[in-house]
Amino acid sequence: DGGITQSPKYLFRKEGQNVTLSCEQNLNHDAMYWYRQDPGQGLRLIYYSQIVNDFQKGDIAEGYSVSREKKESFPLTVTSAQKNPTAFYLCASSDWPKLGEKLFFGSGTQLSVL
Amino acid sequence: SQQGEEDPQALSIQEGENATMNCSYKTSINNLQWYRQNSGRGLVHLILIRSNEREKHSGRLRVTLDTSKKSSSLLITASRAADTASYFCATDLGNNDMRFGAGTRLTVKP
Repeated sequence: DGGITQSPKYLFRKEGQNVTLSCEQNLNHDAMYWYRQDPGQGLRLIYYSQIVNDFQKGDIAEGYSVSREKKESFPLTVTSAQKNPTAFYLCASSDWPKLGEKLFFGSGTQLSVL
Repeated sequence: SQQGEEDPQALSIQEGENATMNCSYKTSINNLQWYRQNSGRGLVHLILIRSNEREKHSGRLRVTLDTSKKSSSLLITASRAADTASYFCATDLGNNDMRFGAGTRLTVKP
């Protein structure tokens, strides 16, 4: 099946720990994105990548890092510098090289702090 | 900051009724999109309307766009219990920036 796979579905982080969220797509899309969703709020953009080995910060990049070594993969690391990491994280991809047009979303990762 | 603001925040209707959700935004856009999210899941794209379009239909969905008022509406006709979800508008500002609103939680009672 074509689509976007996020793992794990649930993740727990201890104080001072870095954790990495996985996002893989087999849609052959150039653009990939990470969003954060807090309860009762919309999605906020963390990072996006238009092409392999390139990525840009979104609105709330502080405390997060990404890499784009392969077209299919766009992992997100939540670092210890992110003091309020508890949220629902969504990965998306797009058929366009620029941000916009139709986004395809993964099923999300719920991150909680122990 | 959020660009799109949906209202109402929550809407509860009976099966068979129509549901209307509104989205207002602040700056010029290239296009506006509506997405649906079931609880604890990812978003699913419903429909895209470009800034030079005024109305678009897809099945039971009807979207309008009024760029002079910076607003859009999503109408779901003949609603079903399976339409229960949160609905988000997303505005493409055209400068590598797409912003989502806080969403409308729709409950359709059987």
